[in-house]
Amino acid sequence: DAGVTQSPTHLIKTRGQQVTLRCSPISGHKSVSWYQQVLGQGPQFIFQYYEKEERGRGNFPDRFSARQFPNYSSELNVNALLLGDSALYLCASSLRTRAYEQYFGPGTRLTVT
Amino acid sequence: GENVEQHPSTLSVQEGDSAVIKCTYSDSASNYFPWYKQELGKRPQLIIDIRSNVGEKKDQRIAVTLNKTAKHFSLHITETQPEDSAVYFCAASTGAQKLVFGQGTRLTINP
Repeated sequence: DAGVTQSPTHLIKTRGQQVTLRCSPISGHKSVSWYQQVLGQGPQFIFQYYEKEERGRGNFPDRFSARQFPNYSSELNVNALLLGDSALYLCASSLRTRAYEQYFGPGTRLTVT
Repeated sequence: GENVEQHPSTLSVQEGDSAVIKCTYSDSASNYFPWYKQELGKRPQLIIDIRSNVGEKKDQRIAVTLNKTAKHFSLHITETQPEDSAVYFCAASTGAQKLVFGQGTRLTINP
């Protein structure tokens, strides 16, 4: 049984560029959450999507956006990249809209130069 | 908003000894407390969780205790092994959409 998958694994972008990260949840899970993990810190909540609707948003600027598709996969978009956006972006899937039993993907390491 | 404090930031124990990591949370409405283990370069892995209607939960060498009155919860690992070396994160949730994580504890098991 496949776990949460994310692509790409690594990404290097330049300041001002835009990036799209992708996530596929565990089969049967309808909820996808996105977290940002800066080196040496715990993950910080960005978004949660459930049944294609945004159900929660963390304290991140409008440069961050996301969407969920009918097959429950999700994309995270970040516009006008800043150096401070360099981080590991984690996707987590769960059965329902609540935060219980979230399972994480391997993450996408984004480096902004 | 919710805040989770985790201590210690680093912990070194001899193989076979026990390790304890402690977290405190600020929102009394929190009702779900998971623990994640993250090995270097890998995904956070859910190792155990507890809900607010339970005071303690055990799974083999791992246990979590919860004190709702004091708003703190702890992870206990007994008979530690080298493969227990990793960064451990506690988290809390009110049952809404997000998990709020602590800052992490780097656990090193010395052979």
